[in-house]
Amino acid sequence: DTGVSQNPRHKITKRGQNVTFRCDPISEHNRLYWYRQTLGQGPEFLTYFQNEAQLEKSRLLSDRFSAERPKGSFSTLEIQRTEQGDSAMYLCASSLASRGTSGYNEQFFGPGTRLTVL
Amino acid sequence: SQKIEQNSEALNIQEGKTATLTCNYTNYSPAYLQWYRQDPGRGPVFLLLIRENEKEKRKERLKVTFDTTLKQSLFHITASQPADSATYLCALMKLDSSYKLIFGSGTRLLVRP
Repeated sequence: DTGVSQNPRHKITKRGQNVTFRCDPISEHNRLYWYRQTLGQGPEFLTYFQNEAQLEKSRLLSDRFSAERPKGSFSTLEIQRTEQGDSAMYLCASSLASRGTSGYNEQFFGPGTRLTVL
Repeated sequence: SQKIEQNSEALNIQEGKTATLTCNYTNYSPAYLQWYRQDPGRGPVFLLLIRENEKEKRKERLKVTFDTTLKQSLFHITASQPADSATYLCALMKLDSSYKLIFGSGTRLLVRP
């Protein structure tokens, strides 16, 4: 399967614990996005990477959240001192940004990691 | 503030009919508008993209219209099938460096056999 993969698919943790999620994008894609989705809502942008550089972070991304993309390949999203409000589906997407008149190509989403904070 | 509105009530139609879903937005000037399909427990899947200078785009049984004056997009599925049952998300995108997507909350479509 050459799509975007995310691990784990589900994570249940107790409030106050740290969690880390992993995203493996489509191999030639240089852009990687993290979104968060709560029940009944659409995904909300959290942050994105162009290769290994983190270029934008949403104000939704509090200082308890950190994301990395070492070597411009896979990415990790860590949440420290989890709170019940962090319970959501965390989605990763990748795309190939190219030069040209638009530079935009569609984003391919992974299956998501569902986080439940008890 | 920027707002994207999709009908929160589920759309329930008979197989073979045309499903029409609406996306309205305010305080936003997107360069692109996109429609995604999302099944329960899965990530969104890209369906169609339409640019601000385009009025209509088609792909097989799907048709999208984009009216930047009304700030509205309509998404049509013709000859609907039970397999089309899913949540459909509208997403806007500015032509800035991030290409991040701003999503509506989605409309659930149920196609009865």
